[in-house]
Amino acid sequence: EPEVTQTPSHQVTQMGQEVILRCVPISNHLYFYWYRQILGQKVEFLVSFYNNEISEKSEIFDDQFSVERPDGSNFTLKIRSTKLEDSAMYFCASSAWDGRVSNEKLFFGSGTQLSVL
Amino acid sequence: DAKTTQPNSMESNEEEPVHLPCNHSTISGTDYIHWYRQLPSQGPEYVIHGLTSNVNNRMASLAIAEDRKSSTLILHRATLRDAAVYYCILRDGQTGANNLFFGTGTRLTVIP
Repeated sequence: EPEVTQTPSHQVTQMGQEVILRCVPISNHLYFYWYRQILGQKVEFLVSFYNNEISEKSEIFDDQFSVERPDGSNFTLKIRSTKLEDSAMYFCASSAWDGRVSNEKLFFGSGTQLSVL
Repeated sequence: DAKTTQPNSMESNEEEPVHLPCNHSTISGTDYIHWYRQLPSQGPEYVIHGLTSNVNNRMASLAIAEDRKSSTLILHRATLRDAAVYYCILRDGQTGANNLFFGTGTRLTVIP
């Protein structure tokens, strides 16, 4: 079955540094998402992306965060100046959502563990 | 999105059926009921979803109450690999982005 791939699996950075988390969504999918999960807490929605623009974003997704689809295959999450509280597992997801119930499901990657020191 | 209520944890013996309940008393007519699970150290994984009728797939069955205020995810024969956190999520079918908002879910422990 096709899958969403994320790189790197682990990223360690110093506070204040910029990080870019990378994702390759499933090739025919149109919607892309980023979620995060702080250790021991629930999975939190960050942002959804469709047709080269942000569709919806949460309160967490402030000016420090940005997303981009730089080419036909990659989807990236950039954190401009990392803070200690950005340490979390970041999950990318994609969906073939086109309004039909049969295409509702989200496919998640295995995540990137970001550690901010 | 409307709120769901699930037990924090449940246990099941291996190879026995598991019924995972979810209450959603404020569900609206356009809310779809989704179930995802998260295996240890992995991303969430789709299990099943439905609107009004019961649904079956190769992973599980979804039983939806007639008034839609509750639903039950049924794993017909639990295996050790089914140990995970199971999330019941409502999604408004009228919105465009198909975003999902996760709660705290039910942690299922499968006993060998």
